[in-house]
Amino acid sequence: EVQLVESGGGLVQPGGSLRLSCAASGFTFSNSWMHWVRQVPGKGLQWVARISGDAGSTTYADSVKGRCTISRDNAKNTLYLQMNSLSDEDTAVFYCVRDKGGSYYHGVAADWGQGTLVTVS
Amino acid sequence: DIQMTQSPSSLSASLGDRVTITCRASESVNKFLNWYQQKSGKAPTLLLYDASTLQNGVPSRFSGSGSGTDFTLTIDSLQPEDFATYFCHQSFTTLGTFGQGTKVELK
Repeated sequence: EVQLVESGGGLVQPGGSLRLSCAASGFTFSNSWMHWVRQVPGKGLQWVARISGDAGSTTYADSVKGRCTISRDNAKNTLYLQMNSLSDEDTAVFYCVRDKGGSYYHGVAADWGQGTLVTVS
Repeated sequence: DIQMTQSPSSLSASLGDRVTITCRASESVNKFLNWYQQKSGKAPTLLLYDASTLQNGVPSRFSGSGSGTDFTLTIDSLQPEDFATYFCHQSFTTLGTFGQGTKVELK
């Protein structure tokens, strides 16, 4: 069974930084494209970033480009999102997502973690 | 960016009803349209991908159709566990974009 468990969210002041983590299990993590998707409470969803299985390819939404870094540690089966220069517009629940394609990119969110809330205030 | 517009934003329906939600893209996304269900306080779950392919484990009362810019999600015979918010999502472009959601409520 695929399990994705996020951690690292919390309250941070504007301009601050936060690193989110996602512990993955139940699948071959190193072969899987992974993503971060966020949701402003009560609002819609936004894809934040993606990373290939070997970490050789990353892509960011324009809204976070230059402020966020997605990374992974395949030895630890863990996905990360480093977020800097946070503003109140970054307040959201951040979800760790496994791509349906596995080793090839599909762009479909097959499995989601429970989410971690980031509040910038 | 490709804009995704869902309609309606919310609807009220009764158990056993057939429900249809539409999603329109501002430009063609080919067949790369996905549907997710989100229950209150929970993470979204994948229902259908590539417009009409049912994700493993999803009941067959859910179906999807469409291509290009116009897509529909249909729920045949609405069940109590189907009351939720539904999002469409285009994966034609890198990272993709989501619709604003359609909340299905009990009439």
